[in-house]
Amino acid sequence: EVQLVESGGVVVQPGGSLRLSCAASGFTFDDYTMHWVRQAPGKGLEWVSLISRDGSSTYYADFVKGRFTISRDNSKNSLYLQMNSLRTEDTALYYCAKDNGSPGSWEDYFDYWGQGTLVTVSS
Amino acid sequence: DIQLTQSPSFLSASVGDRVTITCRASQGITSYLAWYQQKPGKAPKLLIYAASTVQSGVPSRFSGSGSGTEFTLTISSLQPEDCASYYCQQVIGYPLTFGGGTKVEIK
Repeated sequence: EVQLVESGGVVVQPGGSLRLSCAASGFTFDDYTMHWVRQAPGKGLEWVSLISRDGSSTYYADFVKGRFTISRDNSKNSLYLQMNSLRTEDTALYYCAKDNGSPGSWEDYFDYWGQGTLVTVSS
Repeated sequence: DIQLTQSPSFLSASVGDRVTITCRASQGITSYLAWYQQKPGKAPKLLIYAASTVQSGVPSRFSGSGSGTEFTLTISSLQPEDCASYYCQQVIGYPLTFGGGTKVEIK
């Protein structure tokens, strides 16, 4: 069974930093591109970033470029999101999601999601 | 960035009704579109991808159609468990974007 478990969400002050983690199991992690998607309280979904299976390709939404860094450790079946220069508008539930592409390719659809970790940016 | 506009933003329908949600793209995206269902307090669930391909395990009452700039998600016979928010998503280019969502309520 595919499982994605996010952690690391806390309350942080504006300008602060945070690293989110996502522990994956139930599939061959290093075969798949992975994504972060966020949802502000009571709002819709926003794609944040993706990383290819070997980490060689990354993409970001404009609103996080230069502030957030996505990474992965395939030896630990883990995905990360380093978040710097946090703003109040970054307050959201952050989901990690598995790409539904075939092993070795990616489609940018999300077939499995974690339950999310809540990041609150507030003074 | 490609904008996706969903309509309606809210709908109320009875069990057994046929329900249609529309998603319009600001530019052509051929068939690079997905639909997700999100129940309160839960993570989204992939229903449809590539505009009309039903994800494994999704009930057959869900279907998707369209190409270019206009897409629809249809629930052929609304069930109580379909009470949720529905989002479209385009994957033709980065940044990936979602529609604003449609909340479906059971009358």
